Amino acid sequence: NAGVTQTPKFRILKIGQSMTLQCTQDMNHNYMYWYRQDPGMGLKLIYYSVGAGITDKGEVPNGYNVSRSTTEDFPLRLELAAPSQTSVYFCASSDDAVDGYTFGSGTRLTVV
Amino acid sequence: GQNIDQPTEMTATEGAIVQINCTYQTSGFNGLFWYQQHAGEAPTFLSYNVLDGLEEKGRFSSFLSRSKGYSYLLLKELQMKDSASYLCAVRPSYSSASKIIFGSGTRLSIRP
Repeated sequence: NAGVTQTPKFRILKIGQSMTLQCTQDMNHNYMYWYRQDPGMGLKLIYYSVGAGITDKGEVPNGYNVSRSTTEDFPLRLELAAPSQTSVYFCASSDDAVDGYTFGSGTRLTVV
Repeated sequence: GQNIDQPTEMTATEGAIVQINCTYQTSGFNGLFWYQQHAGEAPTFLSYNVLDGLEEKGRFSSFLSRSKGYSYLLLKELQMKDSASYLCAVRPSYSSASKIIFGSGTRLSIRP
């Protein structure tokens, strides 16, 4: 019963570095999402996917890229990290349009 | 535009009842969610309303009025473990996917 698994849990990046946040779900969900949550704030949608091979931008996509080559995996790529990308990143999945989300445990990213 | 408003912080007493309000203004509506988020953890699904009225689930109930753009989450018999942030979230009907827009959350503190 793994659900949604995110790695790493914590990461410190230097300005200008790149990294990939991994997200895997074992529930065969079609829908997957990446959100970021700044301290004391709600979640902002970065990118989402409605199925393998299909991705689309959310509210705050700048500075990020995603891919969805399989149903299970939905990695988030940060290119040229900036301090403004310091945040907690949550990956989530859902079965269809009427379900609530299942969230991963989050990745806490600091850019210095 | 999309806007979801909820109080930033609330305090209540163990054993009492508390009501957390949420108002929303979205370009469409296809469901409202409540999530609970303990500090440093991922959000977990509490409730879903798509029709007007009250949905009861144990100590938690959620109410929706679509005509007023209003919802509330009612927590009864409060326990110390209910200290958490409560996120109101709306799915706009224009969405072709299952994406949800989150409010900033209400931080609820329970005192003995």
